[in-house]
Amino acid sequence: GAVVSQHPSRVICKSGTSVKIECRSLDFQATTMFWYRQFPKQSLMLMATSNEGSKATYEQGVEKDKFLINHASLTLSTLTVTSAHPEDSSFYICSARDRGALSTDTQYFGPGTRLTVL
Amino acid sequence: DAKTTQPNSMESNEEEPVHLPCNHSTISGTDYIHWYRQLPSQGPEYVIHGLTSNVNNRMASLAIAEDRKSSTLILHRATLRDAAVYYCILKEVFGNEKLTFGTGTRLTIIP
Repeated sequence: GAVVSQHPSRVICKSGTSVKIECRSLDFQATTMFWYRQFPKQSLMLMATSNEGSKATYEQGVEKDKFLINHASLTLSTLTVTSAHPEDSSFYICSARDRGALSTDTQYFGPGTRLTVL
Repeated sequence: DAKTTQPNSMESNEEEPVHLPCNHSTISGTDYIHWYRQLPSQGPEYVIHGLTSNVNNRMASLAIAEDRKSSTLILHRATLRDAAVYYCILKEVFGNEKLTFGTGTRLTIIP
């Protein structure tokens, strides 16, 4: 099956620094990628939809200037958490849809990135 | 998005079948029923999806009620590796590609 990777798998940073998380589709091209955030014991919350070559679409309540998304190629999307604070500590997960798939087809999820802000 | 309702948690004995229910009484005619599961500390993985007819794959079976207002994910022989949170999600065939995750069912497998 299709594989999506994320890097890093976990990161610890100081408050005020920025952190970049990469999401790659390894064996397929993805025109659309999605970024989710998951707090402990909670479900996944969609943050934004990342479209190759265009601006990301953010969900209501998600600050676009704080969570910068770049989808520069058909296999790579990045999420940068700018000026991170302890409340940004969370599990960040990306997903991607095969550009050749039907709209009803599955999304493939990355393994997630555990961000801890001290 | 049409809403789904699942039990918060379920337990099953190892090597026995598991039936995970999902209610979606407001489903529309163009909504597909998707199931994903999330193992501890991992991203979700696709399990199965269907529209009207029952579906089988190597992971599970999906039984869809005739009126489509409910469905059941069937794991034929649960193993310890099946312990996860299972999410039932409706996805419109002509809509956007977003998946809206509910709270899911936390499945515990008893050895």
